[in-house]
Amino acid sequence: KQEVTQIPAALSVPEGENLVLNCSFTDSAIYNLQWFRQDPGKGLTSLLLIQSSQREQTSGRLNASLDKSSGRSTLYIAASQPGDSATYLCAPGSGGSYIPTFGRGTSLIVHP
Amino acid sequence: NAGVTQTPKFRVLKTGQSMTLLCAQDMNHEYMYWYRQDPGMGLRLIHYSVGEGTTAKGEVPDGYNVSRLKKQNFLLGLESAAPSQTSVYFCASSYSDRGTTEQFFGPGTRLTVL
Repeated sequence: KQEVTQIPAALSVPEGENLVLNCSFTDSAIYNLQWFRQDPGKGLTSLLLIQSSQREQTSGRLNASLDKSSGRSTLYIAASQPGDSATYLCAPGSGGSYIPTFGRGTSLIVHP
Repeated sequence: NAGVTQTPKFRVLKTGQSMTLLCAQDMNHEYMYWYRQDPGMGLRLIHYSVGEGTTAKGEVPDGYNVSRLKKQNFLLGLESAAPSQTSVYFCASSYSDRGTTEQFFGPGTRLTVL
C-alpha cells in the first residue's frame, strides 16, 4: 500500500521567502505525481502534474521535481506571497487503475 | 465548462437517515472518484469508477454505495447515516490515460450526521 508523507506539516514564513515543501512515498512504481493546492473550505486545485518519465515541471513561481527511484518529490515556491497561503498536497498515482494516494498536506501561511 | 460539480453543498442528517450525493462532470472523463476528508486523516478514497456501469471499492467503502449509470454522473449513497460519516466529501474525475491524466475536484459537500 502506498504511504505518502509530507514535511513539514505546517510552515509560517514572511513574504518574499523561497520555500521548499517535501513529499515522500513508499512505492516508487508510480505513473505520475500531482501537486494540489487547497484553500480553507474549498476543493483541491491542481498545480502541477509530473509524469513518471519527467524530472520536473514548472508553472510560474512553482517548480516541482520528482526523483522516482528514491520516492521523493519537492515543490519549490519562489518569492512567496500572502496569496500563496493554503494547504499543499501531493498525490502520487500508482496501481492498476491510476489511483492517487494523498499525503496529509503542508499548511502554509505567508504573512506580509 | 462547469468542470466537476457537487450537490448539495451542505447537509445535516440524523442518525439512520439516508441520502445521496450527486457528482457531475462535463469533461467526458472516464474515471470518477469519491473521497472523504477528515481533520488529521487527509483524503481517503471511498469508491471509484473507471467507466460507465463500473464501480470499485477504495480504502474506506463501508457504509457507502455508489452508482455510475451515466458517464457524466457518479452518485454516492448513505443508506443509514452514522455520526462517523460526518465529513467533507469530494468528488473528482480524470481521463483514463495514466501518464498524463490530471485529477479535477469538485467544491465538496459538508455533511453532518447528528
